[in-house]
Amino acid sequence: QSVLTQPPSVSAAPGQKVTISCSGTSSNIGNNDVFWYQKLPGTAPELLIYDTHKRPSGIPDRFSGSKSGTSATLAITGLQTGDEADYYCGAWDSSLSAGLFGGGTKLTVL
Amino acid sequence: QVQLQQWGAGLLKPSETLSLTCAVYGGSFSNYYWSWIRQPPGKGLEWIGEINHRGVTSYNPSLKSRVTISVDTSKNQFSLKLPSLTAADTAVYYCARGFGREMPRGRWGQGTLCTVSS
Repeated sequence: QSVLTQPPSVSAAPGQKVTISCSGTSSNIGNNDVFWYQKLPGTAPELLIYDTHKRPSGIPDRFSGSKSGTSATLAITGLQTGDEADYYCGAWDSSLSAGLFGGGTKLTVL
Repeated sequence: QVQLQQWGAGLLKPSETLSLTCAVYGGSFSNYYWSWIRQPPGKGLEWIGEINHRGVTSYNPSLKSRVTISVDTSKNQFSLKLPSLTAADTAVYYCARGFGREMPRGRWGQGTLCTVSS
């Protein structure tokens, strides 16, 4: 069971918006930056969001990140079929002195 | 452009030691932390640990008693050793780059499937 809690699955229609939540504690999300990754089968994770809300170059602005207290959210607007993937949040845990991933959320674009 | 290339044995037996190496080509080696992450089949990502060029390490508490991450700055390489393997260690293992005390960023290795089976 992951310390960072994500919903197992979310779904939405093409063109719609979806949000994925990531719940943690003051030791991780509450006091450290949050990262979001997209994971496709057979490929390495791709960084979507770093430092809670920043996008690497090449990541479209359809992807955005935010945080409130000990919870973080990844929002994806203008959903495309190519967005179907597993999404993972991650954060450093200051108490454990270790990195943590959420359990992952499978996005289905209906 | 920085590239991470990893290699190691893909089929191992229970009780053996997993040994993987990740080489960093291009860019600075000393300005970053270097991580290992794994994903068992059908399961989520698991952070294993990280190291910097001085050999300063952090490990996942659940693996700390077994895992060793080391660095060879003369070759711009870092390695993972995991002894006493069981089937639960079967996973795709990735190396990645970060800034330390945070999650890895945009540079990842290609991944190595390590299967533990008798």
